[in-house]
Amino acid sequence: DQQVKQNSPSLSVQEGRISILNCDYTNSMFDYFLWYKKYPAEGPTFLISISSIKDKNEDGRFTVFLNKSAKHLSLHIVPSQPGDSAVYFCAASKRGAQKLVFGQGTRLTINP
Amino acid sequence: EPEVTQTPSHQVTQMGQEVILRCVPISNHLYFYWYRQILGQKVEFLVSFYNNEISEKSEIFDDQFSVERPDGSNFTLKIRSTKLEDSAMYFCASKTGLAADTQYFGPGTRLTVL
Repeated sequence: DQQVKQNSPSLSVQEGRISILNCDYTNSMFDYFLWYKKYPAEGPTFLISISSIKDKNEDGRFTVFLNKSAKHLSLHIVPSQPGDSAVYFCAASKRGAQKLVFGQGTRLTINP
Repeated sequence: EPEVTQTPSHQVTQMGQEVILRCVPISNHLYFYWYRQILGQKVEFLVSFYNNEISEKSEIFDDQFSVERPDGSNFTLKIRSTKLEDSAMYFCASKTGLAADTQYFGPGTRLTVL
């Protein structure tokens, strides 16, 4: 089941620069998308979300962009900080459905 | 800030034994979930629970699995006869209501089946 894909298993970015994490989906019924951050031995922590009626949502250093025609979303973190080093999961859901469908995750490393 | 809690953090069991994983969802939340993540794989949905019944379940959630909300605060996942392949991190999540879309996750229980 590859409905949500994060094709980059890892990403390394210098502190202070922009981190861009990408996610693609195949199911056009998805209408809500979320990004979670996960540290080792902890559960996923909600970061930011976007509804399909929007193409951008911003919260502090985090911005999520949604391109429905391309079935693609991205998470921008600017400026990147060492504490941002974690695994980032993209997830999607359909209104009325209960489950979240997750991507494989991207390990982000912020280098000083 | 309210959070989902899970116990134990790590459970080791012998194959064929029953295990119960416990979760305390956020207090005003009405929808409860279990997910699992096998090492190196995606986080996978197992089951959702609302109003004291299962509202959706995946094909992974077979007859060996059950969920219960035994009181007003706990939400449990029982695996009746564990298999080696049940070894995984199990995450509990909750959300406020049907119109809400954001699920909040607990720290997980690492289940190791020997």
